[in-house]
Amino acid sequence: EAGVVQSPRYKIIEKKQPVAFWCNPISGHNTLYWYLQNLGQGPELLIRYENEEAVDDSQLPKDRFSAERLKGVDSTLKIQPAELGDSAVYLCASSRGPSGGTEQYFGPGTRLTVT
Amino acid sequence: SQQGEEDPQALSIQEGENATMNCSYKTSINNLQWYRQNSGRGLVHLILIRSNEREKHSGRLRVTLDTSKKSSSLLITASRAADTASYFCATPLPGGSEKLVFGKGTKLTVNP
Repeated sequence: EAGVVQSPRYKIIEKKQPVAFWCNPISGHNTLYWYLQNLGQGPELLIRYENEEAVDDSQLPKDRFSAERLKGVDSTLKIQPAELGDSAVYLCASSRGPSGGTEQYFGPGTRLTVT
Repeated sequence: SQQGEEDPQALSIQEGENATMNCSYKTSINNLQWYRQNSGRGLVHLILIRSNEREKHSGRLRVTLDTSKKSSSLLITASRAADTASYFCATPLPGGSEKLVFGKGTKLTVNP
């Protein structure tokens, strides 16, 4: 089975510019997650979707970050405008159901550099 | 907030040796998961251990869970250079939350 696909793999932008990341989860996985990972740290959840509904977005900085998962499959995460502190790796993951018991499958991530 | 915390932060061993990493957490959990992350790549799920289990094996991996001490350990036996990676424990937030919280990880280096 194909894994979680993310694009782009790398992105370099100037501060105040917009940027968008795309994720295609594993087929049949209803739950989709976006994580942020800073260097030397573990992933931190930004938002979790159950199908097309965002069920946990408490860690998403809503003034500049937005996400959508149309039709409950692919998802995009957008930052507008980007700040220097947004430089990090953005990981997408999917699972069959709630993560309390089931494993999560991660994509390779998008490494964002804001200059 | 950090639920799980790995120890040590970094570990360097020779190929063939065993590697042990520990994870401590703060509140009651119903399961604990271990993930591996190779440099520049996404995380890969290794093993899930439930709160009613004390030990679980998968190939060269052995995971233990001590709920009384709120700790878990990951043992990799007969390590290989390909085991070089960061290892993270992850636990759900208390209260039946479905949010998985990761520690900072242990960076393992296996020297050939």
